[in-house]
Amino acid sequence: EVQLVESGGGLVQPGGSLRLSCAASGFTFSSYWMHWVRQAPGKGLVWVSRINSDGSSTSYADSVKGRFTISRDNAKNTLYLQMNSLRAEDTAVYYCAREDVSQWLVGYFDYWGQGTLVTVSS
Amino acid sequence: DIQMTQSPSSLSASVGDRVTITCRASQSISSYLNWYQQKPGKAPKLLIYAASSLQSGVPSRFSGSGSGTDFTLTISSLQPEDFATYCCQQSYNTPGFTFGPGTKVDIK
Repeated sequence: EVQLVESGGGLVQPGGSLRLSCAASGFTFSSYWMHWVRQAPGKGLVWVSRINSDGSSTSYADSVKGRFTISRDNAKNTLYLQMNSLRAEDTAVYYCAREDVSQWLVGYFDYWGQGTLVTVSS
Repeated sequence: DIQMTQSPSSLSASVGDRVTITCRASQSISSYLNWYQQKPGKAPKLLIYAASSLQSGVPSRFSGSGSGTDFTLTISSLQPEDFATYCCQQSYNTPGFTFGPGTKVDIK
């Protein structure tokens, strides 16, 4: 059974840092691109960051570029999101998600973690 | 950047109703469109990928159609467990994977 389990969320002051983890199991983690998606309270889903299967390529939403760093440890089957210089507007539930690709090369997120809440407040 | 819009933003329906939700992209995205269902406090669940392909394990009352800029998610006969928020996602202009704002389906 595919499982993604996030951890590391919590309350942090503005300007602070936090590292989220996403532990993967039930599939060959090193074969899949992975993403972070966030959802502010009462709002919609927003893509945050993506990393390719071997960790050599990353991408970020403009809103987090230069502050957040995505990484992965394929030996530990774990995805990370290092979040620095946090702002109130970063408050959200953060989900990790696995990307799969259809036969027509359409990417989609077929498995999601349960989410971890990050609250940025003084 | 590709913008995604959905209509309606919310709707009220009864069990057994046929429900249609529309998603529109700001430019052509071919069939690079996915649909997700999300219940309060839960992670999104993939329903439809590549505009019309039903994800494994998803009931056949869910269907998707469209290409280019206009897409539709249809629930043929609404069931009690279908009351949720539905959102579309484009995967044409990656790595952005932009989501629509969502359509909340609640009980009439």
